[in-house]
Amino acid sequence: EAQVTQNPRYLITVTGKKLTVTCSQNMNHEYMSWYRQDPGLGLRQIYYSMNVEVTDKGDVPEGYKVSRKEKRNFPLILESPSPNQTSLYFCASSLVFETANTEAFFGQGTRLTVV
Amino acid sequence: KQEVTQIPAALSVPEGENLVLNCSFTDSAIYNLQWFRQDPGKGLTSLLLIQSSQREQTSGRLNASLDKSSGRSTLYIAASQPGDSATYLCAGPSGAGSYQLTFGKGTKLSVIP
Repeated sequence: EAQVTQNPRYLITVTGKKLTVTCSQNMNHEYMSWYRQDPGLGLRQIYYSMNVEVTDKGDVPEGYKVSRKEKRNFPLILESPSPNQTSLYFCASSLVFETANTEAFFGQGTRLTVV
Repeated sequence: KQEVTQIPAALSVPEGENLVLNCSFTDSAIYNLQWFRQDPGKGLTSLLLIQSSQREQTSGRLNASLDKSSGRSTLYIAASQPGDSATYLCAGPSGAGSYQLTFGKGTKLSVIP
């Protein structure tokens, strides 16, 4: 089954404790991306990757890191989480970007709470 | 940069009614638009992708249209069911040089039995 898998689904952590949210897709997609969703603000892009070893900032990259060492994986790293990073996080992938027939697939989301 | 608006923010209808959800966008150079469904505590499920060369796309009881000239897309749901209750989001590419989707804030649909 074609899917984007995020782990963990739920996470409560303390301020400053480094964490990683994993994202894996099984569709051989080149493009992957991270979004956060907050009430009243909607979905905002954090980082994206056009292919292996190619990553770039989205609209809200501060406090986050990413890496793309393998095509299927795109982990999101919070080196020193703060309470304002409490949010619902989504990983997405698509075959490529800027192609009319390319559909985006999203993971199930990771609910992160930083106390 | 693309702006996407969905009105109304919430909609309540009786079961069996046909309904239309609206999505408007500012950049008419859009090359596709995607509709998603989001259930509470769950991820985004893709419903329909409609390309700019298409005017309509259908899947079961769902029909999406795209009118670039007016900057509008609609999602038509026929014979609504309580299981259709969810938040529906539309999203399109953010514009030249930007590699992200711009989402509307969604319409929360409640179908009353």
